[in-house]
This record gives sequence, C-alpha cells and structure tokens, in this order.
Amino acid sequence: QKEVEQNSGPLSVPEGAIASLNCTYSDRGSQSFFWYRQYSGKSPELIMSIYSNGDKEDGRFTAQLNKASQYVSLLIRDSQPSDSATYLCAVTEPSGGSYIPTFGRGTSLIVHP
Amino acid sequence: NAGVTQTPKFQVLKTGQSMTLQCAQDMNHNSMYWYRQDPGMGLRLIYYSASEGTTDKGEVPNGYNVSRLNKREFSLRLESAAPSQTSVYFCASSERQATFSNQPQHFGDGTRLSIL
Repeated sequence: QKEVEQNSGPLSVPEGAIASLNCTYSDRGSQSFFWYRQYSGKSPELIMSIYSNGDKEDGRFTAQLNKASQYVSLLIRDSQPSDSATYLCAVTEPSGGSYIPTFGRGTSLIVHP
Repeated sequence: NAGVTQTPKFQVLKTGQSMTLQCAQDMNHNSMYWYRQDPGMGLRLIYYSASEGTTDKGEVPNGYNVSRLNKREFSLRLESAAPSQTSVYFCASSERQATFSNQPQHFGDGTRLSIL
C-alpha cells in the first residue's frame, strides 16, 4: 500500500512566525511532489511543486525535498492569519504506465494574531 | 475562463437512487480525475482518465462508473447510492496525459452529496 503521511495537527503558530509542514512517502519510485492549500469548505489549490532534491522558493513559501529520506516539507515564512487552512501533500507515483497522485490526509494550520 | 466546472454543487439522494455527477474543463487538459474527500481521510482517487478515450480505476472505484464523454467532460455515476457514498466529490484535471509525472492538478469546486 503506497502511503503519504502527514501530521493532522492542528499546527498553531503566531503571526509572523515560520510554519513548518512535513510529509513522508513510502514509494521510492515517486517522481513529483506537490503542496495544495485547502480552505474550509473550498477546493484544493496548488501552491508549490517540486521535482528534484533540494529547496524551491516562491515568495513566502519554500518546498524542500529529500528523496533519500523520502521526505518533503513546506515552510511558510512570515505566517499570516490568511494562511490558516489545511495543507495537503501529494506525491505522484508510477502505476501501469501512468503517474497517479496520492494525497496525504492534510495538516491543519492555524495562524493566530 | 471557468476552469473546472462541477454540477450539481449539492445533492441529497435516497438509498438506491442513481445519479450522475458532471465535470467539464475548458483548459484543453488531457487528464481528468474524480476524488472523494471524507473527514480525516484526505482525497481518495475513484477513477481517472489518463487521456481522452481511456479510463482506469483508482483507489476506491467500487460503486461508481465513469465516462470520458470527450476531451472536456468526465462524468461520475452512482448506479445505486449507499449511505457510505456520502462525501464531497472533487473533479480535477491536468494539462498533460497521465504518462507524464509532473502533473499539478486543477480542481473544481466540489459536489456535496448526502445519501439518506
């Protein structure tokens, strides 16, 4: 069973702090890694993608990938109350000639003023 | 552009009734997906269409059927609804065929389905 694991939280951080969200995956053949943000009652929206080891930065967001440790993380700098949401980690894995996404259960982030 | 459009947004069914959830995308995407999301369970893949003309089972296909009507439309059918199928259903699409790994997904707004 291919698994993508996330701590369900909630992770509570003060406004202006760095929020660190973590995700581990079981399939060493995984190729692509995504972070989605989902506000309550809304659909997921893509915020970051990463395909190779190392860091990728986009504004206040940094995705970090370590394939040897099968670990991907998302850092949110200068956290704002508007960042309060559930963050879903998704991993694309090979399956019968296609690449199929598997989602973690999500981590709830609360940024308090 | 509307992106990914799902209809209906809400639906209540009785056990044993059938219905079709509709999904259409206007981004000329090749791959389309149906997920269900239950509290504490994350997104689980029901069926996907790696390209126009193909469909394949995902993690939780039992009780569902799909049709890739054309490149734009991908419908999900419940033939005999059961209370266990109460969930929020999301349709998603990706630009390239699913034979490519780097596939961010674009999601519709979801259909909230309750089965009594």
